[in-house]
Amino acid sequence: GAVVSQHPSWVICKSGTSVKIECRSLDFQATTMFWYRQFPKQSLMLMATSNEGSKATYEQGVEKDKFLINHASLTLSTLTVTSAHPEDSSFYICSAPSVAGVTYEQYFGPGTRLTVT
Amino acid sequence: LAKTTQPISMDSYEGQEVNITCSHNNIATNDYITWYQQFPSQGPRFIIQGYKTKVTNEVASLFIPADRKSSTLSLPRVSLSDTAVYYCLLGGGGATNKLIFGTGTLLAVQP
Repeated sequence: GAVVSQHPSWVICKSGTSVKIECRSLDFQATTMFWYRQFPKQSLMLMATSNEGSKATYEQGVEKDKFLINHASLTLSTLTVTSAHPEDSSFYICSAPSVAGVTYEQYFGPGTRLTVT
Repeated sequence: LAKTTQPISMDSYEGQEVNITCSHNNIATNDYITWYQQFPSQGPRFIIQGYKTKVTNEVASLFIPADRKSSTLSLPRVSLSDTAVYYCLLGGGGATNKLIFGTGTLLAVQP
């Protein structure tokens, strides 16, 4: 099946710094990608929809100036956590639909564990 | 997107068949029903998807009654490696493909 990768798989950063997480669709093109956040023992929470060549759409309550999303190509979306704080420590996961606009089968990346100290 | 309700957790033993039911009373006409599996510290993995009646693939079956207000994921002869969280999600064939995850069901398989 289709493969979605994320980089890095884990990252530790100091409070106040920014961290960039990459999401790549390896063998298919994705005009849309999604970013989720998951806290320990909780479900995935959709943060935003990343659209190739246009602005991302953020879910209610997600600060767009803090979580910068760029989808510059059909295979790459990036999430930048700006001025990170310990409460931003979480598991960040991206996904991409297998065939846009047809079904809800999506391919998820392996996730990125962010720890802010 | 319509909400789904699943049991928080289930226990089973190796070799047993496990059925996880999901309620979705407000399912829309164009909603598909999709199940995902997630292991700790990994991204979710697609298991199966259906619209109505029964769907079967190499790992699971999905039963959907005529009114589509619920669905049941059936895992035949589970093993220890099936211990995971299982999510039931609804979605249509629209342009957004947005997925809203509910609480999921933590399936614990014991020897």
